[in-house]
Amino acid sequence: DQQVKQNSPSLSVQEGRISILNCDYTNSMFDYFLWYKKYPAEGPTFLISISSIKDKNEDGRFTVFLNKSAKHLSLHIVPSQPGDSAVYFCAASPGGSQGNLIFGKGTKLSVKP
Amino acid sequence: DTGVSQDPRHKITKRGQNVTFRCDPISEHNRLYWYRQTLGQGPEFLTYFQNEAQLEKSRLLSDRFSAERPKGSFSTLEIQRTEQGDSAMYLCASSSESINYGYTFGSGTRLTVV
Repeated sequence: DQQVKQNSPSLSVQEGRISILNCDYTNSMFDYFLWYKKYPAEGPTFLISISSIKDKNEDGRFTVFLNKSAKHLSLHIVPSQPGDSAVYFCAASPGGSQGNLIFGKGTKLSVKP
Repeated sequence: DTGVSQDPRHKITKRGQNVTFRCDPISEHNRLYWYRQTLGQGPEFLTYFQNEAQLEKSRLLSDRFSAERPKGSFSTLEIQRTEQGDSAMYLCASSSESINYGYTFGSGTRLTVV
């Protein structure tokens, strides 16, 4: 039973436009959410996080939105650049646990010039 | 400090052999994690250390798997009597106390069991 779901395996966006990556979760006890980016043959790279007590966090071109009532979060990338092409993973931290991040299956983003 | 280092990058082994992977975390990070990733899946948590203490283990970590972090610095992950289902990317990550900054992952060790 997947607790963190990324229902879109892939997304294609034109350079300069907005990329929106979505993530749904089932466990209301998750207290922290994170987004990672992964290039082939590399480990995941941390992008941005958000606490469950907030609804928005912004860092440069990246903004994460959290809708707790819908158990949904999204990552917005504006403007999208070809170098953003990668697999993006959503992850959640269960409350009380310090080690166990639960990841979704990822969404492959392709930004076309 | 150039980040989290994992060795080897690739390992091919015959079924039934034992393998050991090494992870060197970022020096100021006291927390170290092992994850496994298979094709089309996100990373799956295996185990977690704070300093030298192993604080959490996933049910994915069968009796054939053992992890150590003897001096609270580098860590090793050993798989005994490997099976084809063990073929995966094994990722190590480290972090400081706060989750705000995420975990820093290494590039992983790709294990292929033939």
